[in-house]
Amino acid sequence: SQQGEEDPQALSIQEGENATMNCSYKTSINNLQWYRQNSGRGLVHLILIRSNEREKHSGRLRVTLDTSKKSSSLLITASRAADTASYFCATDGSGGSNYKLTFGKGTLLTVNP
Amino acid sequence: GAVVSQHPSWVICKSGTSVKIECRSLDFQATTMFWYRQFPKQSLMLMATSNEGSKATYEQGVEKDKFLINHASLTLSTLTVTSAHPEDSSFYICSAPALREGLYEQYFGPGTRLTVT
Repeated sequence: SQQGEEDPQALSIQEGENATMNCSYKTSINNLQWYRQNSGRGLVHLILIRSNEREKHSGRLRVTLDTSKKSSSLLITASRAADTASYFCATDGSGGSNYKLTFGKGTLLTVNP
Repeated sequence: GAVVSQHPSWVICKSGTSVKIECRSLDFQATTMFWYRQFPKQSLMLMATSNEGSKATYEQGVEKDKFLINHASLTLSTLTVTSAHPEDSSFYICSAPALREGLYEQYFGPGTRLTVT
């Protein structure tokens, strides 16, 4: 099956709540990245976590990485309606400027005001 | 920061015609760029790797004669959809890697929505 699979596929929460999305992958990676995409728009890079890191924070975002389980999670705290978007994890297995990203299927997050 | 642009942002063409999409790295050089296709409510699928000065590398199942890629300079890659058909209607996104904090990060263009009628 596809490298980088997120769950849940869709998540609906109320503003102010936390949102957690998970991603699993199958092969070894150098790093894992999370992206956000608003409907019909390009991708916005959120955060990159290296394979030797276990947790990383950026503002209201917290990403964890468990290489033994080949999984990662993205936590958005104190969600806002503006956080409504699709979130994708992407893995890079080769490094260097020629590396290719493999994207998961994404989680559609809806934050209700 | 690194910015990638795409042109056009959307295009409508008739079946059988060809469409060219440009991807530019505005403030950095990229010897490699990537082209992705995204169908509605689906994830991004890598189509090909565009290499400056050499042929593009296509992913399995992608027709190289249909999706022509030219990496004309260190800041420009073009994707031409030849003899477009309605099934080619999709969102096409390019990316280019730039060095940040010792790692290459991919910077994505805003995408081009192609509709073939």
